[in-house]
Parts: sequence; C-alpha cells; structure tokens
Amino acid sequence: AQSVTQPDIHITVSEGASLELRCNYSYGATPYLFWYVQSPGQGLQLLLKYFSGDTLVQGIKGFEAEFKRSQSSFNLRKPSVHWSDAAEYFCAASGGGADGLTFGKGTHLIIQP
Amino acid sequence: GAVVSQHPSRVICKSGTSVKIECRSLDFQATTMFWYRQFPKQSLMLMATSNEGSKATYEQGVEKDKFLINHASLTLSTLTVTSAHPEDSSFYICSARVTGGIRAFFGQGTRLTVV
Repeated sequence: AQSVTQPDIHITVSEGASLELRCNYSYGATPYLFWYVQSPGQGLQLLLKYFSGDTLVQGIKGFEAEFKRSQSSFNLRKPSVHWSDAAEYFCAASGGGADGLTFGKGTHLIIQP
Repeated sequence: GAVVSQHPSRVICKSGTSVKIECRSLDFQATTMFWYRQFPKQSLMLMATSNEGSKATYEQGVEKDKFLINHASLTLSTLTVTSAHPEDSSFYICSARVTGGIRAFFGQGTRLTVV
C-alpha cells in the first residue's frame, strides 16, 4: 500500500538554528512529492514540490528539499529557522493521474527563542 | 496563480441536519477535485475523488451515502454531509487539479461543528 512516513511527531529547534524534517515514502514507482505547511486553524500552503529532474528542490520561505531515490526520502531543510516557521509540516505524495495526495502524519515544529 | 475558494469557512449545525460545502476553482478549469478530512491534531485523509460529469470515487471506509459529492461543472464541486452527527465534526479541505496538470491547489478549508 502507498504510504508516507514522517518519523518525528514533534521537533524543537532554536531560532536561527538549522532544520531538517524527515519524510519517507513507499510507492510502487517514484511519486510526485510535496511539502506543505499548516498554521493552526488554517489551510495548507505549498512549500515545494518534486516531479522530476534536479533532486534538490528550492521552495518558498527559504526551504529546500532533497529527493533521494535510494533512501525513498524527501527531507525538508532550512539553514536558519525563524519564530514564524513554527507550524505543522506535512509531507505528501501522489502517483499522478487521478490520484489524490497521501499525507504523512505531520511534524509539529516548535521554535525556541 | 490558481485560486480555489471553499465556502463556508466555518459552519455549525445541529445533529441530524445536512450541510453543503462548496469548492470552486476561480481562475482555472478543474476536471478533478479532491475532498479531504482532517481531525484535530491529525493528518489529512483523502475521502473521495470527484470527476466532472461522473460519479465520485470514494476511499475505503468513507460512506458515499453520507458524504454526497457533486461535480456538475469544471469549476465547482460540492460536498454534502447528510444527517450530520457530532463525530462528523472535522476540518474539510478540497483541492482542485488543473485539467491536464499535475499539481492540485487547495481551498482554505471548512471547519464543521455538529452540535
């Protein structure tokens, strides 16, 4: 079955420190991959996506993600976090075509002053 | 950019009544729209895939008679929660895929509270 795993439920990072959020997927073929951010009570904002090509993807707000086929991973990174980055982050995948998204369980990011 | 409007953003209804949620693609045509549900502090789960002019495809465990989906035009899909109960209280989010495209764009979600 298709699945997306985010191993970390909560992550606490000091403001200004670097961040890496982990995401692994299990799909029959390489899926389309996405990272979304959700603030409390809000909808989803797309940070970045990977369809094909360059495995290092740049997104908005200074985020980037690297697709590693050998590890079935698509980890999200940011070199220096800001207090406004505190939110819930979801990794998602789709097989394309008429497929909807399969979401990971999310990682709650806490920023320490 | 592509905008998806979801209405209402919040709704409170009495147990046993029905609620309709609209999802509109404002500046593009969407042959396919998706409906997701998110319980508090949980992830989003795909409920159903809605294709314009045909019946929706429901995910396993989702009651199609309870969650009625209509996608009568290329810019509008509706989700009707029939005979709502408190356990249906949730955050419902739609997304719309540009016809022929890969990426789907999300609405802002609807917070449904059944009392």
